[in-house]
Amino acid sequence: QKEVEQNSGPLSVPEGAIASLNCTYSDRGSQSFFWYRQYSGKSPELIMSIYSNGDKEDGRFTAQLNKASQYVSLLIRDSQPSDSATYLCASRSASKIIFGSGTRLSIRP
Amino acid sequence: GAVVSQHPSRVICKSGTSVKIECRSLDFQATTMFWYRQFPKQSLMLMATSNEGSKATYEQGVEKDKFLINHASLTLSTLTVTSAHPEDSSFYICSARDGATGGNQPQHFGDGTRLSIL
Repeated sequence: QKEVEQNSGPLSVPEGAIASLNCTYSDRGSQSFFWYRQYSGKSPELIMSIYSNGDKEDGRFTAQLNKASQYVSLLIRDSQPSDSATYLCASRSASKIIFGSGTRLSIRP
Repeated sequence: GAVVSQHPSRVICKSGTSVKIECRSLDFQATTMFWYRQFPKQSLMLMATSNEGSKATYEQGVEKDKFLINHASLTLSTLTVTSAHPEDSSFYICSARDGATGGNQPQHFGDGTRLSIL
């Protein structure tokens, strides 16, 4: 079983709609969770970090964490074509960060 | 914010060549840096954790004699791919975390090095 699991997609969302990305993790001891965005051929860039249960909002992005269900999600409101990328979910396990395989998001005009 | 610089951005070389990639933390001290490899359309795979002043910790299946890691200072880690072969062609990315700001901080990534072995 992978430590961090994501649906690989592609997830196609119309421009202006809400994109919902989901992730589950297996290590109950994980305390820190991150969402990274990666454009093709580029390295990942951090979008959100979340450490406690509930929602965390930053602009058009909202991260949600449910430790009981071992579930992390990312909502992107008012989706733009520039949001088209692969989104990587990550959790910190011990001293290292474990990445999911990523969800490819495509925003259609 | 924290910046990680990685150099070179692209390398094309012949089979059998050894290639060195540098990773620098520009505005913070990084006692630990991480090296990842990413093949096309696949996720980041952690290769090794680089510890300043001590030996690197390699993930299972990664040959430590082939991928030499040196972390001689708090701001610099190097990865040397020795006697590279075409199957080593990949996107190599380093990352670092600002150890001074607490254990929950995210890792910041360099821009990556695209290695192509002919």
